[in-house]
Amino acid sequence: EPEVTQTPSHQVTQMGQEVILRCVPISNHLYFYWYRQILGQKVEFLVSFYNNEISEKSEIFDDQFSVERPDGSNFTLKIRSTKLEDSAMYFCASSVPTGQAYNEQFFGPGTRLTVL
Amino acid sequence: AQSVTQLGSHVSVSEGALVLLRCNYSSSVPPYLFWYVQYPNQGLQLLLKYTSAATLVKGINGFEAEFKKSETSFHLTKPSAHMSDAAEYFCAVSRGGADGLTFGKGTHLIIQP
Repeated sequence: EPEVTQTPSHQVTQMGQEVILRCVPISNHLYFYWYRQILGQKVEFLVSFYNNEISEKSEIFDDQFSVERPDGSNFTLKIRSTKLEDSAMYFCASSVPTGQAYNEQFFGPGTRLTVL
Repeated sequence: AQSVTQLGSHVSVSEGALVLLRCNYSSSVPPYLFWYVQYPNQGLQLLLKYTSAATLVKGINGFEAEFKKSETSFHLTKPSAHMSDAAEYFCAVSRGGADGLTFGKGTHLIIQP
């Protein structure tokens, strides 16, 4: 069964460093998403991406964040200068437009980012 | 704006007992509602979804949920708990299409032997 994959599973970085989190969505999906979950808190929406541009973003997704689909398979989240409060689990998700009002999102296993 | 409230950060039931996890939502448009389960060190798995068809929705692993518009609720139930049901459960709401999901804070389900 196709699934969303994410690498690395765990990333440790120093405050102020740039990190890139990578995701491979399900191959025929066209909508891509990033979410984060700070330890002990709820899952929060960051951004959605379609047709090579951002569709929607939350107030969390500030200028420190960017997303890119550099090729036909990868979808990346870049944090330009990490802060301690960026430590969280980051989930990628994807969905396929079906012409219906709702498109189910499939989640990857997550990348745990630790900022020291 | 949308929001989800899950009552009870922790719920403990005995194996074989009824599971009831509560979810109330707020949405300015007819919502799409979901329950996701997260096992330790794993991602989010969809349990079930309400997308304006039947108000009683059946999902995987024997779970079901009922959409009650008058109560703005979408509570998750399972008649008989199993040890393997121990996990974190998240209720979420969406406006549809490619809209991002808005999650509740989650409920940690503990199953007592």
